[in-house]
Amino acid sequence: DAKTTQPTSMDCAEGRAANLPCNHSTISGNEYVYWYRQIHSQGPQYIIHGLKNNETNEMASLIITEDRKSSTLILPHATLRDTAVYYCIVRGYSGAGSYQLTFGKGTKLSVIP
Amino acid sequence: DVKVTQSSRYLVKRTGEKVFLECVQDMDHENMFWYRQDPGLGLRLIYFSYDVKMKEKGDIPEGYSVSREKKERFSLILESASTNQTSMYLCASSLSSSADTQYFGPGTRLTVL
Repeated sequence: DAKTTQPTSMDCAEGRAANLPCNHSTISGNEYVYWYRQIHSQGPQYIIHGLKNNETNEMASLIITEDRKSSTLILPHATLRDTAVYYCIVRGYSGAGSYQLTFGKGTKLSVIP
Repeated sequence: DVKVTQSSRYLVKRTGEKVFLECVQDMDHENMFWYRQDPGLGLRLIYFSYDVKMKEKGDIPEGYSVSREKKERFSLILESASTNQTSMYLCASSLSSSADTQYFGPGTRLTVL
């Protein structure tokens, strides 16, 4: 799976949009971009994923650049409960290796009151 | 909503004890996974199962075994617990193909004394 690079930490004011970037310059054509988050001492929570097109669900939006080398997760109105470590993961959709998720260090998002 | 539950949130065991960690999912998922998460090492796959009674080794199966007698339940067994197995254990499940989204349980923090 392609390697991802994320900032170590970010702050966001409560009620404002949180924009979390991720670089995945070596992504290949059959690899998806996934986002998970992990609140302290809890299991990772799935947020969203995409291949080429931008995606939106009830939690967030995912913007993928046209060349697919980077993406941004957007939390439109951050709340204190969004404080967590956010992981950007690139994974393929076939082969035995695609079963495994590889979590990097992620971005520690702190939502400030 | 997908629901993955784990039998205990916190567990303390002694060296040499046999330890059972249970995971149950209620979404009729084919695939189930056991990971461990340690600071600085990210998530590492221990075992996964893509069908009842089927199992595959992940990256770190040594010292562990698994059991999948029913589709909804996947057990991780530490035959003789050791202090280096102190960790956060995370169970996940996904629908059917290797590419399907994995959903995680809340985790079990195991301490081996």
